[in-house]
Amino acid sequence: QSALTQPASVSGSPGQSITISCTGTGRDVGNYNYVSWYQQHPGKAPQLIIHDVSRRPSGVSDRFSGSKSGSTASLTISGLQAEDEADYYCNSYTSSNTRIFGGGTKVTVL
Amino acid sequence: QVQLVQSGAEVKEPGASVKVSCKASGYTFTSYYIQWVRQAPGQSLEWMGWIDTDYGYTKYSEKVRGRVTITRDTSASEAYMELRSLTSEDTAVFYCAREGRSASTFDLWGQGTMVIVSS
Repeated sequence: QSALTQPASVSGSPGQSITISCTGTGRDVGNYNYVSWYQQHPGKAPQLIIHDVSRRPSGVSDRFSGSKSGSTASLTISGLQAEDEADYYCNSYTSSNTRIFGGGTKVTVL
Repeated sequence: QVQLVQSGAEVKEPGASVKVSCKASGYTFTSYYIQWVRQAPGQSLEWMGWIDTDYGYTKYSEKVRGRVTITRDTSASEAYMELRSLTSEDTAVFYCAREGRSASTFDLWGQGTMVIVSS
């Protein structure tokens, strides 16, 4: 199964909002609300920032929000800050009871 | 302290096998699945498989099925990932992660284990 589709890179200026898309199929994103997002800084393990499409774990900034429409999930980062510069990955449950990641998006703060 | 601690870096020759361990502490080991994820240098995250730590059921990705075995030792609160017939394409950082109450919610990660495959 191919990876979920994410844009390779997204950039924005401090204070702006950016949105990262994550497109799957009816076998994963389109059929389940088990979509999560991870932030990964260089040399570090990924960190969960959104789960179940739009839920934020305790301690995660409310500048991060998630949504889904059809087979495309989205992560929005509001009030972009320098510390948000990182790689972001989406993940979904699939109809085969496997999990699948997106190809990752590099966020650059200009 | 709730954490996953993985075994140290490995260097293997092509054709060999590697076994990475993941020790859980601070929570009930058998209440959560353990997932295994790898990341080749400069590449994206790749899901490899999971283990139901309570019953021992497993599921693997099509890409590594046949070469990977995930096991656990409930008495030691440890999970293991063994990958066989290594090639240079298996050079990667391998992570274990706890799957939370919802599917695909990887809420706790190990520190990662670098595996280098080189002759």
